[in-house]
Amino acid sequence: NAGVTQTPKFQVLKTGQSMTLQCAQDMNHNSMYWYRQDPGMGLRLIYYSASEGTTDKGEVPNGYNVSRLNKREFSLRLESAAPSQTSVYFCASTRTGGLEETQYFGPGTRLLVL
Amino acid sequence: AQSVAQPEDQVNVAEGNPLTVKCTYSVSGNPYLFWYVQYPNRGLQFLLKYITGDNLVKGSYGFEAEFNKSQTSFHLKKPSALVSDSALYFCAVPGRGGATNKLIFGTGTLLAVQP
Repeated sequence: NAGVTQTPKFQVLKTGQSMTLQCAQDMNHNSMYWYRQDPGMGLRLIYYSASEGTTDKGEVPNGYNVSRLNKREFSLRLESAAPSQTSVYFCASTRTGGLEETQYFGPGTRLLVL
Repeated sequence: AQSVAQPEDQVNVAEGNPLTVKCTYSVSGNPYLFWYVQYPNRGLQFLLKYITGDNLVKGSYGFEAEFNKSQTSFHLKKPSALVSDSALYFCAVPGRGGATNKLIFGTGTLLAVQP
């Protein structure tokens, strides 16, 4: 099993450009998450999907949209990138979303917005 | 609201010495507490969790954590540090509300183990 995979690994954008970050998991998990990691702030939840066909906002959703394409894939889209979106983005998944469950993380996407 | 605090940005320890990375929590209801580790340029990896039962939880790579209800703490410990333990450590709790587990992370503690 590859676990959670993310593409691309690194991306440079100009302000105003758009892009989609891809995430896929092969563990048959129901719940998936997008976080961003910034120095001194830990990880903050952007959006999550409790199950296929549902998505909900997290702590910092502004400037982002998501699509739960199917059970395996959960994409994050930046419609008009801003320098404040320079960050490292992590996708994660859990089997059912229970509070006691372990989250499995992808390797991350480093995004630089100029 | 659920929250965790990691009071130390960095912990320095010599190889072979015991290490402690601190975490305090504020939760409503029964606490579920997690530790994750992030090695350089990698994603987060699960280390251990407290759900219920014994206050001393054992996890991966020889790490353990002690749940202390009276002090609302969940400190991560290891008896003998290795240089390879150098990494960023995060404490986390599940947020409440909604249909799924939304982790709330501390700000992270950088552990530096000197040879």
